[in-house]
Amino acid sequence: NAGVTQTPKFQVLKTGQSMTLQCAQDMNHEYMSWYRQDPGMGLRLIHYSVGAGITDQGEVPNGYNVSRSTTEDFPLRLLSAAPSQTSVYFCASSYSGGPAFFGQGTRLTVV
Amino acid sequence: GENVEQHPSTLSVQEGDSAVIKCTYSDSASNYFPWYKQELGKRPQLIIDIRSNVGEKKDQRIAVTLNKTAKHFSQHITETQPEDSAVYFCAASTNNNDMRFGAGTRLTVKP
Repeated sequence: NAGVTQTPKFQVLKTGQSMTLQCAQDMNHEYMSWYRQDPGMGLRLIHYSVGAGITDQGEVPNGYNVSRSTTEDFPLRLLSAAPSQTSVYFCASSYSGGPAFFGQGTRLTVV
Repeated sequence: GENVEQHPSTLSVQEGDSAVIKCTYSDSASNYFPWYKQELGKRPQLIIDIRSNVGEKKDQRIAVTLNKTAKHFSQHITETQPEDSAVYFCAASTNNNDMRFGAGTRLTVKP
């Protein structure tokens, strides 16, 4: 039981490049979320999903897309990377009304 | 959307003293309030949680309280130890599991 797995752990992008951060969970959780963590700002919700085929925007969705074609996977797409998207990204999953379980994080630098 | 505020942002205590972290939330629909501990370079880990039908919960040296009327919740760590040093986050969530986090409290326990 691996829990929540994120890839890659580290990534450097050039401004304007696109990429996908992968997230997979094996706990059969309905809910999945993406957060970004910046110094002094805690964890800010980017997008979340309450089940396969259903996604919604969080606090800071601009510049990011998500899809949820299966229960297990919830990839986050950066369409055109900007230096302001330099951050640590965490994927999380949870059951209804339960705590979020986090992946190990992806440290992204946009130059 | 939900807004969670957390105070203080930094807290330094002597080993053996107590540490108190306070949070407020804005959305009266929030019904689940977890607390996370994050050590440097690691993912946030759940340490304790409380639901809206409970006023207080205790787990060993950690106690959490919830005042639904005032939209306040807090965490109290007793007999602090150096290994309690970390960043602590409070969070609030509705039935949609769109969990929102406070900005975090950096706790330092001096031996």
